[in-house]
Amino acid sequence: KQEVTQIPAALSVPEGENLVLNCSFTDSAIYNLQWFRQDPGKGLTSLLLIQSSQREQTSGRLNASLDKSSGRSTLYIAASQPGDSATYLCAANQGGKLIFGQGTELSVKP
Amino acid sequence: GAGVSQTPSNKVTEKGKYVELRCDPISGHTALYWYRQSLGQGPEFLIYFQGTGAADDSGLPNDRFFAVRPEGSVSTLKIQRTERGDSAVYLCASSYSGQRTDTQYFGPGTRLTVL
Repeated sequence: KQEVTQIPAALSVPEGENLVLNCSFTDSAIYNLQWFRQDPGKGLTSLLLIQSSQREQTSGRLNASLDKSSGRSTLYIAASQPGDSATYLCAANQGGKLIFGQGTELSVKP
Repeated sequence: GAGVSQTPSNKVTEKGKYVELRCDPISGHTALYWYRQSLGQGPEFLIYFQGTGAADDSGLPNDRFFAVRPEGSVSTLKIQRTERGDSAVYLCASSYSGQRTDTQYFGPGTRLTVL
C-alpha cells in the first residue's frame, strides 16, 4: 500500500529565504507526482506535475524534483515571499488516484 | 474557462439524514475524482469515474456512500444515514482524459458537518 510522507509538518522562514519541502513515497510504481498548494478553507491549486520518466519540473520560482528509485520528491521555493504562506501537499498518482501526504504548513514572515 | 465547481459550499445536516453533494467538472474532462479531507490531513481518495462508469471505487468507506455520473459530466456523491464521522471537506477533481500524464484540477470543496 502506497504511503506518502511529508517532512517537516510545519516550517517558518523569513522572507527572501530559499527553502526545500520534502516528500517521500513507499511504492515507486507511480504514474506521476503532483505538488499542490492549499490556502486555508480553500481547494487545492496544482503547482507542478512531474511524470514518472522525468527528473524535474520548473515553474517560476518553483522547482520540483523526482527520484523514483529512492522514493523521494522535493519542492524548492526560491526567494520566498509572504504570499507563499500556505499548506503544500504532494501526491503520488497510482493507477489514476492520488495518494496524498499530510502536507507542510509554510509560513513566510515579512 | 471555468474551473471545477461544487455545490453546496457548506452543508450542515443531522445524524441519520441523507445528503447529496454535486460536482461540475471542467468542460470536456472525461475523468472525475472524489476525495475527502479531514481537518489537518491530506485528501483521501474515494472514487474515480472515466466517462459514466466508476473506474475505481476502492476508496468508498462503506455502502452508505455512493456516487453517480449518469451523463459523463456532472457527478453526485450520495451519503445515506450520515454519521458524525462523515464530517469533512469533500473535494472533487477532474482531468482531461484520465491518462497517466494528466493533471488533476480540484474544486473548492463542500464542507459537510454532521451534527
